[in-house]
Amino acid sequence: GNSVTQMEGPVTLSEEAFLTINCTYTATGYPSLFWYVQYPGEGLQLLLKATKADDKGSNKGFEATYRKETTSFHLEKGSVQVSDSAVYFCALSEWNAGNMLTFGGGTRLMVKP
Amino acid sequence: GAGVSQSPSNKVTEKGKDVELRCDPISGHTALYWYRQRLGQGLEFLIYFQGNSAPDKSGLPSDRFSAERTGESVSTLTIQRTQQEDSAVYLCASSLGALNEKLFFGSGTQLSVL
Repeated sequence: GNSVTQMEGPVTLSEEAFLTINCTYTATGYPSLFWYVQYPGEGLQLLLKATKADDKGSNKGFEATYRKETTSFHLEKGSVQVSDSAVYFCALSEWNAGNMLTFGGGTRLMVKP
Repeated sequence: GAGVSQSPSNKVTEKGKDVELRCDPISGHTALYWYRQRLGQGLEFLIYFQGNSAPDKSGLPSDRFSAERTGESVSTLTIQRTQQEDSAVYLCASSLGALNEKLFFGSGTQLSVL
């Protein structure tokens, strides 16, 4: 079956530091990959996505590249802000699995001023 | 409404009682999902509705859990004879259709079973 593994948190960084949150996946076919973000007190929302190998998803300064050879989709940002403090979820979906999203365990990011 | 709405936002119940959780998806969204998020853990898929197709119930953890959806609108998740291990945040999400992978999530219902 499909699964997603991401680094455990919390990750604590100072403002303007470089961020990497690792995500690897197991899938039977060719999934689409996603990062969702959950800000305090809010629902999950899509941050970025990539639908095929070597695609790069980007949004709000965050980037992630679909690496089929390493089955990874690591999230990166060059300079984090306090407002980026949230829980980040890596996820995948496959059309032949009903497009159901399979999520990782979430990584809490705390950015200190 | 503008987003996915869930109610109640918090529910405290006693072990053995039944609870009903409600989800109002975004108007026009044919796909609706229920997920469960236990404290410190990832999202666990429960059930998926798509249009008039039979729902995918493969994630329901036991026969105490059931869900219904009226057409392409409101959905209710019912947990009978609640147990302490049912304590979690129950999240609802909707999307435009089966092939539309962008899910819009509600803020969830925090269920606490005492």
